[in-house]
Amino acid sequence: NAGVTQTPKFQVLKTGQSMTLQCAQDMNHNSMYWYRQDPGMGLRLIYYSASEGTTDKGEVPNGYNVSRLNKREFSLRLESAAPSQTSVYFCAINRDNSGNTIYFGEGSWLTVV
Amino acid sequence: AQTVTQSQPEMSVQEAETVTLSCTYDTSESDYYLFWYKQPPSRQMILVIRQEAYKQQNATENRFSVNFQKAAKSFSLKISDSQLGDAAMYFCAYKDQGAQKLVFGQGTRLTINP
Repeated sequence: NAGVTQTPKFQVLKTGQSMTLQCAQDMNHNSMYWYRQDPGMGLRLIYYSASEGTTDKGEVPNGYNVSRLNKREFSLRLESAAPSQTSVYFCAINRDNSGNTIYFGEGSWLTVV
Repeated sequence: AQTVTQSQPEMSVQEAETVTLSCTYDTSESDYYLFWYKQPPSRQMILVIRQEAYKQQNATENRFSVNFQKAAKSFSLKISDSQLGDAAMYFCAYKDQGAQKLVFGQGTRLTINP
């Protein structure tokens, strides 16, 4: 899992419910990311955090919030889940010193009914 | 904006043979990185190989190698001696030097026939 742990791995939500996806790294990397993958597509960046305490929007941030309270953890929150947010969510880190190789966690499968 | 195109939605190859997956990209940048990721049925994203644009030498990792043609903006993946465990979706991805975002292609589904 490249040192990236995501929880939960599977979740079913009802429309309008909220939940938080958790991501933790076991090394001291600055950059962390949240991507989503919809069926038949590549991954798209939701939010990223270049360092502890900073976050920035990616391609598809609407409907999500993130939090980077410490260097190890980067969480993704859905405040009011919608069926369009049914997807597989991946947390990722930049793992080499150049900052240009991204490794992914195992993914979290989220279904919103 | 940068784009990545994988023109082969599906490919198949006989076990032990060689297969090449195609990828083209569009960018105005000169300093960037290219990647191939493998996604088996478990959906985990596994980094296969990485190429820095400033390097002329093609990257290799065991049975996996790339043909990087910077002027043509082409980045193909060659898998030699294909194995059943190579069956997966393969994604080509691009990243600007200093940028945070990976841009992915649509993927190529590779089937290995025994």
